[in-house]
Amino acid sequence: DADVTQTPRNRITKTGKRIMLECSQTKGHDRMYWYRQDPGLGLRLIYYSFDVKDINKGEISDGYSVSRQAQAKFSLSLESAIPNQTALYFCATSGSQGNYGYTFGSGTRLTVV
Amino acid sequence: GESVGLHLPTLSVQEGDNSIINCAYSNSASDYFIWYKQESGKGPQFIIDIRSNMDKRQGQRVTVLLNKTVKHLSLQIAATQPGDSAVYFCAETRAPGKLIFGQGTTLQVKP
Repeated sequence: DADVTQTPRNRITKTGKRIMLECSQTKGHDRMYWYRQDPGLGLRLIYYSFDVKDINKGEISDGYSVSRQAQAKFSLSLESAIPNQTALYFCATSGSQGNYGYTFGSGTRLTVV
Repeated sequence: GESVGLHLPTLSVQEGDNSIINCAYSNSASDYFIWYKQESGKGPQFIIDIRSNMDKRQGQRVTVLLNKTVKHLSLQIAATQPGDSAVYFCAETRAPGKLIFGQGTTLQVKP
C-alpha cells in the first residue's frame, strides 16, 4: 500500500459544486500539506498542518478549506468550485525532525467545468 | 525575495549520455536541499538530498553538487536511461515544513 493515499484520483465537477479531496498516510508523520500544481507554475502550497490542532494557510488558500481529522488524515475542500481551480492536487507529509523531505501522494486530477 | 529556480525548462539528452540539471537559489540561509523526480501521472518522488555542510553527495547513478558560494545546486545523472525521462524539481528549506520548490526541468531522453 502507498504511504500517502489520495482519493479520488480523478474528478470532474461542475462550477459551484462543493468537493472534498481526501488524503491519508501511514508514515506516522506529524506534518501534512496540500499543494496545487499547474503547468509552468510548479508546486504551490495551499494549506499545511503541523499537528491535529494546527492549520495554516499557504500562498494560495483563497477558495479552499481544510480539515485535519486525525494525525493520518487531512482533507481539502473546495466550497464552491470554479474553473480556474482545475489543476493537479497533491498531498504530502513530512516528519518534524531530521529529514525535512516530503513524501507525496499520487495526486488528484480535478477538472471544474 | 526568495526563490528557487531551474536554469532550463527542458533538457534533451541522448540515451547513455550524462545529464546535468541545474538549480539556483537565492537564500543563503537554506541548509537542506532536495531533488525530486516527477513522472507523468505520478507525484514527486525523492531522489537525493544534501545538507549545506556538504559539497557533494552520491547515490545510485545520481550525484548532487552544492556550491554555496554562488548558490547553485546541480543534479547529475550518469548513463541516462529512458526511464529517467521526467520533470525534476529542486527544493530548499531552512526548517521542517518550509520547503520551497523550483518550477521544474523536463528531461527528455532520446533513444
